[in-house]
Amino acid sequence: RKEVEQDPGPFNVPEGATVAFNCTYSNSASQSFFWYRQDCRKEPKLLMSVYSSGNEDGRFTAQLNRASQYISLLIRDSKLSDSATYLCVVDNNNNDMRFGAGTRLTVKP
Amino acid sequence: NAGVTQTPKFQVLKTGQSMTLQCAQDMNHEYMSWYRQDPGMGLRLIHYSVGAGITDQGEVPNGYNVSRSTTEDFPLRLLSAAPSQTSVYFCASRSGARGYTFGSGTRLTVV
Repeated sequence: RKEVEQDPGPFNVPEGATVAFNCTYSNSASQSFFWYRQDCRKEPKLLMSVYSSGNEDGRFTAQLNRASQYISLLIRDSKLSDSATYLCVVDNNNNDMRFGAGTRLTVKP
Repeated sequence: NAGVTQTPKFQVLKTGQSMTLQCAQDMNHEYMSWYRQDPGMGLRLIHYSVGAGITDQGEVPNGYNVSRSTTEDFPLRLLSAAPSQTSVYFCASRSGARGYTFGSGTRLTVV
């Protein structure tokens, strides 16, 4: 079993749609959690950290459920520029970070 | 600030050759890591470092060596290149509990 698992995707949605990505992790000792986005043939870039209380950044909302070892990312009012691959990332307590395989999102006009 | 700088951007090696991928950061970050990214596999951790003089193995360390003699530099050495090491390699650095900042990657092909 992979340490970090994500929805396989791809997700194809129209502009303005709301889309949610899910992620589960297996290491209950994991300390920190993040969502990254990666554009084609580019490096991953930090989208947002994920906190236990949930957090929001504009159209993006991240949630963490430690009991279920589950992370989510919600994108509201999707834009064409949101098209990318979204990576779920888990930071273990020995300071190495593990990535999910990513979920590809395409937002269409 | 330049952030995380990786060189070279592209490289073709013959099986059995050795080479070093360079990584440097100018943000005074204590943590640095090397990842490889393969289609359908996501990023996999090769080696990481929590500070100068300290390194440790990640998920896929075989065939690679690292050293961290300074805070800024974290080179990755391929000892004897194999076709299975064809991949995109990313170096990343971070400070504290923040997420990693990545370099732009090195696309390596081993023939």
